[in-house]
Amino acid sequence: NAGVTQTPKFQVLKTGQSMTLQCAQDMNHEYMSWYRQDPGMGLRLIHYSVGAGITDQGEVPNGYNVSRSTTEDFPLRLLSAAPSQTSVYFCASTRARGPGEQYFGPGTRLTVT
Amino acid sequence: AQSVTQLDSHVSVSEGTPVLLRCNYSSSYSPSLFWYVQHPNKGLQLLLKYTSAATLVKGINGFEAEFKKSETSFHLTKPSAHMSDAAEYFCVVSDPGKAAGNKLTFGGGTRVLVKP
Repeated sequence: NAGVTQTPKFQVLKTGQSMTLQCAQDMNHEYMSWYRQDPGMGLRLIHYSVGAGITDQGEVPNGYNVSRSTTEDFPLRLLSAAPSQTSVYFCASTRARGPGEQYFGPGTRLTVT
Repeated sequence: AQSVTQLDSHVSVSEGTPVLLRCNYSSSYSPSLFWYVQHPNKGLQLLLKYTSAATLVKGINGFEAEFKKSETSFHLTKPSAHMSDAAEYFCVVSDPGKAAGNKLTFGGGTRVLVKP
């Protein structure tokens, strides 16, 4: 199994541009989520999904959209990039609705100039 | 609402000496608690988890943590640090609500430096 994969690894955007961060998992996990990591703040939840067709907002959802058309994929869209969205983005998945281990992707480092 | 406070942003230890990483949490429910490790430029890996069974939890690579409800703490320890333990460590609490059972709240992280 590849586990959780994310593309791209690095991205530089100009203010106002849009882009999609890709996330895929091959473990048939129901639950997927997106986090952003900023220095000294740990990881903060952006959006999550408990299954195909179901998404919900996390702690910091503004400026981001998600959709979940398949169990495997959970893309994160930046509609109009802003410098405040410069961060490292992690996708995670888990099989259970209970407090099980989450499996994290390797991350995408995004810089918005 | 739940929150996690890691009391030290940086910890420096000598190789072979004990490591202590401190974590306090706040939760309205009986929490599930985790420690994750992140090596430089890598994703996060689960070290150990507490889910209301034994209060002393053993994890990978010789780490363990003790859940103390009276102190709302979940400190991480290792008897003897190794150079490969240099990383950032996150204490995490899980929201035990129904569909939100997997929503994680992270502490700010503790960066561990191991000196030879």
